[in-house]
Amino acid sequence: SAVISQKPSRDICQRGTSLTIQCQVDSQVTMMFWYRQQPGQSLTLIATANQGSEATYESGFVIDKFPISRPNLTFSTLTVSNLSPEDSSIYLCSVATAYQETQYFGPGTRLLVL
Amino acid sequence: LAKTTQPISMDSYEGQEVNITCSHNNIATNDYITWYQQFPSQGPRFIIQGYKTKVTNEVASLFIPADRKSSTLSLPRVSLSDTAVYYCLVGDSVHYGGSQGNLIFGKGTKLSVKP
Repeated sequence: SAVISQKPSRDICQRGTSLTIQCQVDSQVTMMFWYRQQPGQSLTLIATANQGSEATYESGFVIDKFPISRPNLTFSTLTVSNLSPEDSSIYLCSVATAYQETQYFGPGTRLLVL
Repeated sequence: LAKTTQPISMDSYEGQEVNITCSHNNIATNDYITWYQQFPSQGPRFIIQGYKTKVTNEVASLFIPADRKSSTLSLPRVSLSDTAVYYCLVGDSVHYGGSQGNLIFGKGTKLSVKP
């Protein structure tokens, strides 16, 4: 299984600012995904981070609000822009390899917007 | 993508076997069934995956009837550390991504294990 780290682990931000979250994997992976998990809720897929091309966003999520980069096969960033208190959530990245049908998740980034 | 239905919560005692059933009536031919476990303040962790019949690993068993319209995660002899939320996912391939793939989480089942 892949070992995944996320930075920062938590942050408190002011409304109107942005936060960039980093996801680093210890091996090359085919797929990388970003999820949001609001307090007490299930996980919601934000987008698939595609290496070398624009991310694929799920319904209800747009690039202007959640720009994503994936410069190589081991690293991705998610930026949450123009923060509002409604963005307070846990953001998780996950990965999948070419030969496995399972996802491995990072520890998450807990964001609080004041 | 097949929609899943699970009980919202379950209670058990240490040492008991726990069975959590997931309904997925419109599962497609190519869909896998995958279960994840999530502890508070952690990302979900893969438990087990199957396509049909029975799958067993070191932590759990997965029972899938012939019609595949449901599946049951079986946790043998649970301990306090098994208190967590358990998610059932049904989808074609994680490599398809998004709503076509194995990436849509339902509400999950909150399992509470008591001493």
